[in-house]
Amino acid sequence: KAGVTQTPRYLIKTRGQQVTLSCSPISGHRSVSWYQQTPGQGLQFLFEYFSETQRNKGNFPGRFSGRQFSNSRSEMNVSTLELGDSALYLCASSLVVGRNNEQFFGPGTRLTVL
Amino acid sequence: AQKITQTQPGMFVQEKEAVTLDCTYDTSDQSYGLFWYKQPSSGEMIFLIYQGSYDEQNATEGRYSLNFQKARKSANLVISASQLGDSAMYFCAMREGEGMDSSYKLIFGSGTRLLVRP
Repeated sequence: KAGVTQTPRYLIKTRGQQVTLSCSPISGHRSVSWYQQTPGQGLQFLFEYFSETQRNKGNFPGRFSGRQFSNSRSEMNVSTLELGDSALYLCASSLVVGRNNEQFFGPGTRLTVL
Repeated sequence: AQKITQTQPGMFVQEKEAVTLDCTYDTSDQSYGLFWYKQPSSGEMIFLIYQGSYDEQNATEGRYSLNFQKARKSANLVISASQLGDSAMYFCAMREGEGMDSSYKLIFGSGTRLLVRP
């Protein structure tokens, strides 16, 4: 069974640009969550999607947005990039059945903003 | 508010010895779940072990075990017989609520960097 995949793996952008990151969850998984990891702030929750609906959102500005498609694939978008947006962006998927709690992470997208 | 505290920024352990990584948490919820993840230098987060707040037995997964002390709000990870490949960052995380009706949002600690010496 294929794991969580994220594309692209590496990305370099300049300030003011916008970027879209993609996440394909494990087949059958319906919940997709996004996290930002930086050396200064650590791992921070961005948002979670379940059945195409945003179920929870972290404390990030409106420049950060996301969506989930009917096949559970998810995208996140960051507009008007700032230097501080440079980070590893991780996506995690969960099966969402009963008390199953495991969340599986993808390899991440490393975004550098110049 | 939910919070995860990992007080050991870095640790060394000799190969083949056991090591305990500390994690304390704070939550007002009665139902929650605790996770440990391993992050090698490649960046991918690898799920290690899960403990539910209502689970009476400590979770074990191969060489990993979780020492869950609910009254003390601690969930320490024990790695037995350390291997060189265990060198990585280790994160403790918490999810409030259990089951499919609760959000899958995780709150992470700051991590512990473990280095296994040959």
